[in-house]
Amino acid sequence: ELKVEQNPLFLSMQEGKNYTIYCNYSTTSDRLYWYRQDPGKSLESLFVLLSNGAVKQEGRLMASLDTKARLSTLHITAAVHDLSATYFCAVDLDTDKLIFGTGTRLQVFP
Amino acid sequence: GAGVSQSPSNKVTEKGKDVELRCDPISGHTALYWYRQSLGQGLEFLIYFQGNSAPDKSGLPSDRFSAERTGGSVSTLTIQRTQQEDSAVYLCASSLRSGAGQPQHFGDGTRLSIL
Repeated sequence: ELKVEQNPLFLSMQEGKNYTIYCNYSTTSDRLYWYRQDPGKSLESLFVLLSNGAVKQEGRLMASLDTKARLSTLHITAAVHDLSATYFCAVDLDTDKLIFGTGTRLQVFP
Repeated sequence: GAGVSQSPSNKVTEKGKDVELRCDPISGHTALYWYRQSLGQGLEFLIYFQGNSAPDKSGLPSDRFSAERTGGSVSTLTIQRTQQEDSAVYLCASSLRSGAGQPQHFGDGTRLSIL
């Protein structure tokens, strides 16, 4: 059974700082997705990573995938308040069912 | 363009009643998915439809849950004889097609509360 773990579960960080969220999964897969969820809102697709070594960047967020280590990272550079949200990684085992991680709640304060 | 549309946005019902949740996917998307988000269980896959293929029902928690997709477009998730543990946000998503690493686009969800 595929398990997807994220850490940390909660992250409180100061504006301007850098930090990384980790997503570990238990079974080989080369499809990993990152989503953002604002309180009371739905999930917004951020990144799709489809191969080992894939790196995608959008603004202050950069995601990478290491399929051999079964690890994806979401790096935040110079955080701003607007990045406050919950971030989910999700793995697809070629079955099209997304198995989601526990989520990381990010809070950015001045 | 229009995103995934779900209705109702909120539903409160008494234990034991049946409920129907509706999802209208993005036009042209052949794959449609249902997920459930609850505090205790996180985000869970329920069922998915791809074109005219038989749906993958492997995530449905019990036989009280069923779903159909008519005409390859709109889908309805039905929960019979609702229980309090069914309380959750039910999310629908669609993608261009399955098996291609396409991102799934989510609707705003239906918040279901069972009294």
